[in-house]
Amino acid sequence: NAGVTQTPKFRVLKTGQSMTLLCAQDMNHEYMYWYRQDPGMGLRLIHYSVGEGTTAKGEVPDGYNVSRLKKQNFLLGLESAAPSQTSVYFCASSYFRDRVNTEAFFGQGTRLTVV
Amino acid sequence: AQSVTQLGSHVSVSEGALVLLRCNYSSSVPPYLFWYVQYPNQGLQLLLKYTSAATLVKGINGFEAEFKKSETSFHLTKPSAHMSDAAEYFCAVSRSTGFQKLVFGTGTRLLVSP
Repeated sequence: NAGVTQTPKFRVLKTGQSMTLLCAQDMNHEYMYWYRQDPGMGLRLIHYSVGEGTTAKGEVPDGYNVSRLKKQNFLLGLESAAPSQTSVYFCASSYFRDRVNTEAFFGQGTRLTVV
Repeated sequence: AQSVTQLGSHVSVSEGALVLLRCNYSSSVPPYLFWYVQYPNQGLQLLLKYTSAATLVKGINGFEAEFKKSETSFHLTKPSAHMSDAAEYFCAVSRSTGFQKLVFGTGTRLLVSP
């Protein structure tokens, strides 16, 4: 089983460039998330989605946009990359059972460096 | 709102020693609690979860955690550390009703020496 797949795994951007990170899950999960991980700060939620066509802001949404046109895909966009966006990005998905959101399943991460 | 505090950014143990990683939570409603492990250059993997059934939860790789409501704690333990346990561990909290995104602690890096 593929689970949650992130593309690409590594990327170097120049300041001001744009890019899109792709997340795909094959578990038919309702919920999807984008987190960023920085040393000493744990994982911070950027944006999330509770279903196809819906997105919402998380803890640190500035400088990012997202789209969820299909249930299995969740895209994270950087319109104008800044060095402060150098981080490791994780996508996750979770399912809904008995009216409760359960544990999240994570991708392998995308290491992004903005120079 | 939910939040998690992990005490100690680094914990060092010798191989064979007890592992204790601390997690305290804050939640306005009954929480669901999780421990995740992250090995170098990998994603997060679920170790165990508490979802209001048994308060002592057993997970993979010999880890367990006990939910203590009176102490608002969910500490992770393992009786005997192995070199392969060296990783970063994250505690996370969610609510037990309706939709709630996971809120993570800042992580504890476990170092195991021979």
